[in-house]
Amino acid sequence: SQQGEEDPQALSIQEGENATMNCSYKTSINNLQWYRQNSGRGLVHLILIRSNEREKHSGRLRVTLDTSKKSSSLLITASRAADTASYFCATEVLRGGADGLTFGKGTHLIIQP
Amino acid sequence: KAGVTQTPRYLIKTRGQQVTLSCSPISGHRSVSWYQQTPGQGLQFLFEYFSETQRNKGNFPGRFSGRQFSNSRSEMNVSTLELGDSALYLCASSLGLAGMDEQFFGPGTRLTVL
Repeated sequence: SQQGEEDPQALSIQEGENATMNCSYKTSINNLQWYRQNSGRGLVHLILIRSNEREKHSGRLRVTLDTSKKSSSLLITASRAADTASYFCATEVLRGGADGLTFGKGTHLIIQP
Repeated sequence: KAGVTQTPRYLIKTRGQQVTLSCSPISGHRSVSWYQQTPGQGLQFLFEYFSETQRNKGNFPGRFSGRQFSNSRSEMNVSTLELGDSALYLCASSLGLAGMDEQFFGPGTRLTVL
């Protein structure tokens, strides 16, 4: 079963605009991670945010975590063509469990030149 | 530092056969996880090994098995292949446990079952 679910499933924006994608999950977590996958570089880790953190930045990426709403968002500012990829959130259920690290189905982001 | 390597990169098998996939983690990484990726189901966790012990196992039948060696290299085996096993199999390594640390993914093994 999918622990995390990204929204929207697909997003198309113009280069230079900001892109926001969301992730909702079902059960309490230790932390939440965001990954990016494109055909050129495979699956790459972007950010890990712990359950006691509310916001984290890395370059043009900003991730927020709201544990009360069981949701997270990933903001990419000043988008570039190279940001075209699928973005996944991944969670591990608190105190472990049979599911291990579970990924959502992803948001497919297309940056139009 | 060399990244995660997976062999072979592509594999074609027929139903009923078995297959072994190999993963070499980044030097020093003790955790190796395996995932199956398909268009329909997305990325699904198979299992995680840490210091040669299986830490977690996903919801897959017993035909899927794995192991980790003392040098952290890992193999996964699928016996009695079915058409539905056609997928991209990804291996990832991390310094600590998969859920607590950044995971580094290999390029994957594309398995086609005919």
